[in-house]
Amino acid sequence: GENVEQHPSTLSVQEGDSAVIKCTYSDSASNYFPWYKQELGKRPQLIIDIRSNVGEKKDQRIAVTLNKTAKHFSLHITETQPEDSAVYFCAANLRGSTGNQFYFGTGTSLTVIP
Amino acid sequence: KAGVTQTPRYLIKTRGQQVTLSCSPISGHRSVSWYQQTPGQGLQFLFEYFSETQRNKGNFPGRFSGRQFSNSRSEMNVSTLELGDSALYLCASSLAGQDNEKLFFGSGTQLSVL
Repeated sequence: GENVEQHPSTLSVQEGDSAVIKCTYSDSASNYFPWYKQELGKRPQLIIDIRSNVGEKKDQRIAVTLNKTAKHFSLHITETQPEDSAVYFCAANLRGSTGNQFYFGTGTSLTVIP
Repeated sequence: KAGVTQTPRYLIKTRGQQVTLSCSPISGHRSVSWYQQTPGQGLQFLFEYFSETQRNKGNFPGRFSGRQFSNSRSEMNVSTLELGDSALYLCASSLAGQDNEKLFFGSGTQLSVL
């Protein structure tokens, strides 16, 4: 099966600085990599995703990069704001003939200090 | 469009009891998957249902089971509850199919086993 590792587990940055969260996966057959943001007591929300045929994707202050050879992908948040404080999860989808199977990292708790 | 709805929001049970959780997907979504979320463990995949059939199953004991109805609503059952089953149980729905893997999560059911 797939194994997703995520680092760091906690991250504190000053408002306006950048934050980077890194994930590695083990199965080269994984082809879809979403990132979720979960605020305290709320449901995980998809913030950005990338497919295996794309190396980078950007949406305003958020970007994701994927290195298929090294089997790692990263989330970049620029100009961080206090409302970016949350737990972020990466995931890898191992899509097979029987459908999707998502494997999640253990999460990164991001704190943006005003 | 209504989001993914999970009921109940909170549950308190004692060891040995059984519990049933419910999930109503977004209208038109045919795939429902279930995840267990515990502090430090992230989200762990339980199973995925599509068109009333379980397509994939995670590495959980047989005490964890589920089903999906013809209207795509899904239930998850845990029998003979153990203290370690205390967790937030999240369900997610998706359109499924190629390039339609995006997961939309419910708010979860917080299960406490005493």
